[in-house]
Amino acid sequence: QQQVKQSPQSLIVQKGGISIINCAYENTAFDYFPWYQQFPGKGPALLIAIRPDVSEKKEGRFTISFNKSAKQFSLHIMDSQPGDSATYFCAASNGGSQGNLIFGKGTKLSVKP
Amino acid sequence: NAGVTQTPKFQVLKTGQSMTLQCAQDMNHEYMSWYRQDPGMGLRLIHYSVGAGITDQGEVPNGYNVSRSTTEDFPLRLLSAAPSQTSVYFCASRARLQNTEAFFGQGTRLTVV
Repeated sequence: QQQVKQSPQSLIVQKGGISIINCAYENTAFDYFPWYQQFPGKGPALLIAIRPDVSEKKEGRFTISFNKSAKQFSLHIMDSQPGDSATYFCAASNGGSQGNLIFGKGTKLSVKP
Repeated sequence: NAGVTQTPKFQVLKTGQSMTLQCAQDMNHEYMSWYRQDPGMGLRLIHYSVGAGITDQGEVPNGYNVSRSTTEDFPLRLLSAAPSQTSVYFCASRARLQNTEAFFGQGTRLTVV
C-alpha cells in the first residue's frame, strides 16, 4: 500500500517557468513533510520541509504548499533554471513511529534552456 | 566533513554470492537506515537502527541483514544475492530526534547476474 502518492512522474518546463509537483498522503499521523532533490549519481539531499501547523513555507525560489484537510502538499519551483533539473521526491514521516521517511515515487524534472 | 560514506560505489555479484555494503557516518547520529532505489519505485526502507545494538525491519527487509555494533557503522549484508536485488542502495543518517534532516550517502549500485 503506497502511503505517499506523487505526480507527475516526469515534467518538462521551460527556463523561467513554474514547476509544480504534487503529493498526497493517507496516514493522518504523518507530521513532517520534506522534499528531497537528487542529481544523477548522487544521494538525495533535503531541499525544504514543512510541518502541518503551517500552510506554506518558502525558501528562495522553492515553496511548499500544504493542505491538511485534503491531505495534499505540493512543491512549487519559481523561475525554474536548467540547474534545477533533477529528480524530486516528496516524503512523509510519523514522529511516533521512529520517524521513518516514506517516499513518493519521484518526479524527474527537466528544465529546457 | 565526510558525512555519510558508502562503499563500494559499484558492485557486480553472481546469483547466490553474499556481500556486505558498508556505511559509515561521522556526525554522531543515532538513527541510521538503508533504502533501495528502483526505477519508478522511489526509495523503499529496508532496515533501520535507532542506536547501537538496536535494529528493526522496514518495508522490504527480506534477503537482507543488518547489525549496529557502533554508532558510526551500519553495514547491510546480502545473504544470497538474487537478480531481484539489483538496485541502487542508499544509507542515511539523522539525529535521534524525529523529523530532522536525513543525510544520504552517494549510493552503491549493485548488479546481480
